[in-house]
Amino acid sequence: EPEVTQTPSHQVTQMGQEVILRCVPISNHLYFYWYRQILGQKVEFLVSFYNNEISEKSEIFDDQFSVERPDGSNFTLKIRSTKLEDSAMYFCASRRDRGSTDTQYFGPGTRLTVL
Amino acid sequence: QKEVEQNSGPLSVPEGAIASLNCTYSDRVSQSFFWYRQYSGKSPELIMSIYSNGDKEDGRFTAQLNKASQYVSLLIRDSQPSDSATYLCAVIGSARQLTFGSGTQLTVLP
Repeated sequence: EPEVTQTPSHQVTQMGQEVILRCVPISNHLYFYWYRQILGQKVEFLVSFYNNEISEKSEIFDDQFSVERPDGSNFTLKIRSTKLEDSAMYFCASRRDRGSTDTQYFGPGTRLTVL
Repeated sequence: QKEVEQNSGPLSVPEGAIASLNCTYSDRVSQSFFWYRQYSGKSPELIMSIYSNGDKEDGRFTAQLNKASQYVSLLIRDSQPSDSATYLCAVIGSARQLTFGSGTQLTVLP
């Protein structure tokens, strides 16, 4: 069964460093999402991406964040200058089409720890 | 601000009992509703989706939707210890992003 994959599973970085989180969505999916979950808190939407551009972003997704689909298979989230409060689980999700009945499938997540 | 509210629990039920999980949402135009299960340290896993008023059954799981009351629930029949997890209610927003509740922690006692 196809699945969303994410690498790395755990990333440790120093405050102020840049990190890139990688995702490979399900191959025939067209819509891609990043969510994050700070320990003990709810899953929060960051950004949605379709047709090589951002379609929606939340207040969390400020200028420090960017997304890219560099090669038709990978979908990346970059944090330019990490802060302590960026420590969280980051989940990638993908969706086949825009129909309201379609489901988002989540990857296993990347745990980001900022020291 | 679109909100999804859930009782955080914890909710404990004995093995074999029915677990009842509830969720309310604030955005009246929401059309799609989901229940995800999340084990500690893992990603959300879809349990049920529901789009129309009424009940939808899938195995031991039944989702119930009442759009007039802006209320969604999930019933788990014959609860098993392996059902112990956090259950997340989620609603689709305008760009098809999911807005999640804070989750209800369920423990099924053997």
